Amino acid sequence: GAGVSQTPSNKVTEKGKYVELRCDPISGHTALYWYRQSLGQGPEFLIYFQGTGAADDSGLPNDRFFAVRPEGSVSTLKIQRTERGDSAVYLCASSLQAGGSDTQYFGPGTRLTVL
Amino acid sequence: RKEVEQDPGPFNVPEGATVAFNCTYSNSASQSFFWYRQDCRKEPKLLMSVYSSGNEDGRFTAQLNRASQYISLLIRDSKLSDSATYLCVVNGQGSYIPTFGRGTSLIVHP
Repeated sequence: GAGVSQTPSNKVTEKGKYVELRCDPISGHTALYWYRQSLGQGPEFLIYFQGTGAADDSGLPNDRFFAVRPEGSVSTLKIQRTERGDSAVYLCASSLQAGGSDTQYFGPGTRLTVL
Repeated sequence: RKEVEQDPGPFNVPEGATVAFNCTYSNSASQSFFWYRQDCRKEPKLLMSVYSSGNEDGRFTAQLNRASQYISLLIRDSKLSDSATYLCVVNGQGSYIPTFGRGTSLIVHP
């Protein structure tokens, strides 16, 4: 079946612009995670959704970052007033149910470059 | 101290070699442990879960040492296709948020 998909695969923007990154999880997966990965580092947790609600957004670095999942499926990560330090690969993962013991399936990521 | 620490490597080994990586974690209440594999410019994929009793999947063996707070991954008879970054993942008790290590790079050469 279809895996997790993310669009766009690459996004180049200018400092100060607004961007939206989309994640389409595996059908039926209730848990959805956003991560950010910089070169040479592991994925860094940003936010976790259980259904439609953000169960934990403690990883969002500041209030320029926001994410939604209005219907419990597709999620959008929104970044306002982008900064060069926001450049990274943004990964989305979904799992069948909540709980840290469940396998996470990752999308291919969106590579964000802020000039 | 970081929550999850890994030697970034790279580990350069010849085909056929046995190689082992360790990953230490700081939260003694951690409950779930995993190894993920990440190929260059690709997404992480689950390699194996790590159980208290240890587990084996073909050439791969994972072990958990709670007393010393580390997990290990052993790869026997390395193949060129094993070249990748291996990410250690730890979940705290009652936590839905996994913590990833920075990964260990493995390069298997002919």
